[in-house]
Amino acid sequence: ETGVTQSPTHLIKTRGQQVTLRCSSQSGHNTVSWYQQALGQGPQFIFQYYREEENGRGNFPPRFSGLQFPNYSSELNVNALELDDSALYLCASSLASVTQETQYFGPGTRLLVL
Amino acid sequence: GQNIDQPTEMTATEGAIVQINCTYQTSGFNGLFWYQQHAGEAPTFLSYNVLDGLEEKGRFSSFLSRSKGYSYLLLKELQMKDSASYLCAVTMDSNYQLIWGAGTKLIIKP
Repeated sequence: ETGVTQSPTHLIKTRGQQVTLRCSSQSGHNTVSWYQQALGQGPQFIFQYYREEENGRGNFPPRFSGLQFPNYSSELNVNALELDDSALYLCASSLASVTQETQYFGPGTRLLVL
Repeated sequence: GQNIDQPTEMTATEGAIVQINCTYQTSGFNGLFWYQQHAGEAPTFLSYNVLDGLEEKGRFSSFLSRSKGYSYLLLKELQMKDSASYLCAVTMDSNYQLIWGAGTKLIIKP
């Protein structure tokens, strides 16, 4: 157990819809990163939030957006869902935004877009 | 571009030793992580190497050669529960994101 939780565990949406995924970080962790993991692939970095501000972004379009709240929770929002958005979405929390800090992953949300 | 290579799948016998290799070509380098991921679960941290050499942690050891862009994870006294995917991930200078390999699926046979 890493102390990081995500909801929901599974979700089915149709193309064009919008989705919000939620993550609750370990207490005291001020940094959260979101990843997309397709089946049989490694995770792909979406973005990172540090103290409620976006701190970096991977190669994902603007329809992927996020929020981080003072209570160590965060959200990933995806608009205009596409079939290729079907994946496992992982959040990971850490103590600081420096790279050598170990990231602790939540169990993930598996999203299926039909 | 950034590139991290790992074998797709490996098979080993319970009680044996297995070495999982990872090579990387990235525009910068700060350190290399190894994570374990069981099917349907989140990755869990195994090791982090910054300096060249071998770091041992119980049954698991990780090696890094920065000049060769190469790392390996060594698993000893294999147990059935070690069946999982093993992912290496690189952090680059002045960068906060992890660049991940696709993972190596390790199958342990009795």
